[in-house]
Amino acid sequence: QSVLTQSPSASGTPGQRVTISCSGSSSNIGSNYVYWYQQLPGTAPKLLIYRDNQRPSGVPDRFSGSKSGTSASLAISGLRSEDEADYYCATWDDSLSGSWVFGGGTKLTVL
Amino acid sequence: QVQLQESGPGLVKPSQTLSLTCTVSGDSISSGSYSWSWIRQPAGKGLEWIGRMYINGGTDYNPSLKSRVTISIDTSKNQISLRLSSVTAADTAVYYCARDGGRWDYGMDVWGQGTTVTVSS
Repeated sequence: QSVLTQSPSASGTPGQRVTISCSGSSSNIGSNYVYWYQQLPGTAPKLLIYRDNQRPSGVPDRFSGSKSGTSASLAISGLRSEDEADYYCATWDDSLSGSWVFGGGTKLTVL
Repeated sequence: QVQLQESGPGLVKPSQTLSLTCTVSGDSISSGSYSWSWIRQPAGKGLEWIGRMYINGGTDYNPSLKSRVTISIDTSKNQISLRLSSVTAADTAVYYCARDGGRWDYGMDVWGQGTTVTVSS
């Protein structure tokens, strides 16, 4: 069972806007930045969003991140077929001696 | 551009020690303020952080794996190593190494392609 909670699946049609949520607690999301990763089938995760809402160079502005309290969201606008992938949220957890923690992942299907 | 490549045995027997190496190219692992993390992913499941090592020798480990994990760095070879002892079938996974910019900066921003390890007799 993952420390961060994500819905297992999400879907949308091309051109739509979809939102993926990530829920945590005061010891993780509530006090640290959230990161989002995209994992295309058979490949390694790729950093999509850092520091809650910042995009690395090369990531389209269709992807955006936000955070409020102990929850975070990833929004994808203008959905495209190539966005079909697994999406993971991650953050640092301050409990015990501290560690990176991930959500269980959300599988996005483009219908 | 920095690239990471994991390598090691694809098959490990139960109770033995899993040993993997991550070779970094395109930059020195001693430069900058990065640490180096290991993450694993069982087939069809989510990501689990294993631990990381700083260039100064400091380490952070996942509390659930801490008793079995050792991460080390060889700056002369630009490599990071992972040792996981007393493995069981539950340790079967794809293992990734990643450059770790820290929780206040870029997070784990560059990943290797991963290497599959199966624990079986």
